[in-house]
Amino acid sequence: EDQVTQSPEALRLQEGESSSLNCSYTVSGLRGLFWYRQDPGKGPEFLFTLYSAGEEKEKERLKATLTKKESFLHITAPKPEDSATYLCAVQAPDNFNKFYFGSGTKLNVKP
Amino acid sequence: DVKVTQSSRYLVKRTGEKVFLECVQDMDHENMFWYRQDPGLGLRLIYFSYDVKMKEKGDIPEGYSVSREKKERFSLILESASTNQTSMYLCASRPTGRGGRTEAFFGQGTRLTVV
Repeated sequence: EDQVTQSPEALRLQEGESSSLNCSYTVSGLRGLFWYRQDPGKGPEFLFTLYSAGEEKEKERLKATLTKKESFLHITAPKPEDSATYLCAVQAPDNFNKFYFGSGTKLNVKP
Repeated sequence: DVKVTQSSRYLVKRTGEKVFLECVQDMDHENMFWYRQDPGLGLRLIYFSYDVKMKEKGDIPEGYSVSREKKERFSLILESASTNQTSMYLCASRPTGRGGRTEAFFGQGTRLTVV
């Protein structure tokens, strides 16, 4: 069964303490992997799309990487405003309108 | 900026009521979606629509129906609300193109409580 697993479920960091979030998937024939950020009480907001192993994308303090079985979201020198839940979604290979979402990693960055 | 607007942020309904959740997008996207989000379960797809009057079931369609009479509007209907439908409901839209590799734009969510 196609599945997306995110770890850890929750992560507490001090401001400036870099770390990584993991998204592993068992979907075969990856079409696209998407990262979103979700603030409390709001809808997810798009961050990155990755299409093939070895690809990397960056935005401010965030960098997303992709291998054949997992993706990492690296957060460098985080700030309190980076606190949010980060969601990973993998596009189904047979229907581009279907996405498998992970449960998310809730990041809390303390000042 | 793409805007996806859901008609209500919070709703409280009684068991057995028929409930309508409305969603409007302003970017002429072909595809629209309804998800529900529950703690520990991630986002689960209820229904999606790839064109006016066209719909497809997602992973958890039971107890729900949808309507898309106009391109910009996608409605989710709970035929007879039950307490296990208490959840956060998220609407999204995305364009077709780029080989289907386009991101989704989400509304702010509707937190529905069924009592």
